[in-house]
Amino acid sequence: GQQVMQIPQYQHVQEGEDFTTYCNSSTTLSNIQWYKQRPGGHPVFLIQLVKSGEVKKQKRLTFQFGEAKKNSSLHITATQTTDVGTYFCAGPLVNFNKFYFGSGTKLNVKP
Amino acid sequence: NAGVTQTPKFRVLKTGQSMTLLCAQDMNHEYMYWYRQDPGMGLRLIHYSVGEGTTAKGEVPDGYNVSRLKKQNFLLGLESAAPSQTSVYFCASSYADTQYFGPGTRLTVL
Repeated sequence: GQQVMQIPQYQHVQEGEDFTTYCNSSTTLSNIQWYKQRPGGHPVFLIQLVKSGEVKKQKRLTFQFGEAKKNSSLHITATQTTDVGTYFCAGPLVNFNKFYFGSGTKLNVKP
Repeated sequence: NAGVTQTPKFRVLKTGQSMTLLCAQDMNHEYMYWYRQDPGMGLRLIHYSVGEGTTAKGEVPDGYNVSRLKKQNFLLGLESAAPSQTSVYFCASSYADTQYFGPGTRLTVL
């Protein structure tokens, strides 16, 4: 079946450093979504990418969708302690409303 | 709007006991989902529903049953709980692709 792989599993950075997490799918995705889960909280939707090669920005966060629509990345510039949490990518099967979540990247930011 | 709510928030069961987790949403969403989250495993889809009266299996459906008798409610049942079902359970609903998650239920099976 389809798998969505995410790396790295953990990332510890000093406040102010950049951070990137990568998501790879074994099959083509119709779109890809990114979620953030704060410690003890629930996943919260960040953004959705639909088009091949699409790049979207939200303040310090930059999201990219690969040309083949099989991979994606989330880059955070100059991390802050408020960025702490686990970042998940999620890709739905084409024509189905089943979502496969990546295993997540847990980000820790040292002040 | 309350969004997506889940009850209970916490529960401890003994092996073999049964229970039902309730998910309710007030956003009139057609699609609803049940996930479990285990350390290092991300979110795994248990069952989902594309509308009232319909349910389908996800990645890890064994040991669980679901019902969607009303559009706003999605119930997850454990008929005979096992320690392997110790996890945090999240419900979500969606209109298009964006999923809105409930606060979760932390279940421990002893």
